[in-house]
Amino acid sequence: AQTVTQSQPEMSVQEAETVTLSCTYDTSESDYYLFWYKQPPSRQMILVIRQEAYKQQNATENRFSVNFQKAAKSFSLKISDSQLGDAAMYFCAYRSALGNTPLVFGKGTRLSVIA
Amino acid sequence: DSGVTQTPKHLITATGQRVTLRCSPRSGDLSVYWYQQSLDQGLQFLIQYYNGEERAKGNILERFSAQQFPDLHSELNLSSLELGDSALYFCASSEISSYNEQFFGPGTRLTVL
Repeated sequence: AQTVTQSQPEMSVQEAETVTLSCTYDTSESDYYLFWYKQPPSRQMILVIRQEAYKQQNATENRFSVNFQKAAKSFSLKISDSQLGDAAMYFCAYRSALGNTPLVFGKGTRLSVIA
Repeated sequence: DSGVTQTPKHLITATGQRVTLRCSPRSGDLSVYWYQQSLDQGLQFLIQYYNGEERAKGNILERFSAQQFPDLHSELNLSSLELGDSALYFCASSEISSYNEQFFGPGTRLTVL
């Protein structure tokens, strides 16, 4: 079974600075997808960024980018120019490429942004 | 707004009772997933339906059951409720491909007293 580990329960960053959230995963599969979801105080789950395992190029979405290291099974999220609205729980998630499968989530990292 | 709706938003009930949570997926999405988010267990997959049929089961208790109806809405039934069942229950839907994003509903907050 696949597992996802987020080793940082809490992180904080100054407004306008850069922060990196860590995620590692364990799988025996070679084809899969990785995601970062944001959960603000409203509790809504919002997709931040997605990475396909077969792509070597790291995904980028505006201020959000990932560092995907397939051999190391690492998938970190970098948030640049942090904003107060970035304060939230961030969940790393894994999804097998074998059919229409559910997400496996890490425990989450709570990010605080300091003005 | 993800396009996925869940009702009710909040539910407060007593131990031993039975409740039904409802989910309507995005238009055209055939897959529905149920997840439970509790403080100690994080987000855990419960069960998946695809076009009316059960597709995968996760850490779902025997006291819990679900179904997906012909109009693709889904219901999660929780019975003999215990204090530990208090959690946020999410429904998500997606298109057929694993590549496709799962769109999450706003969740139902269940409190068992």
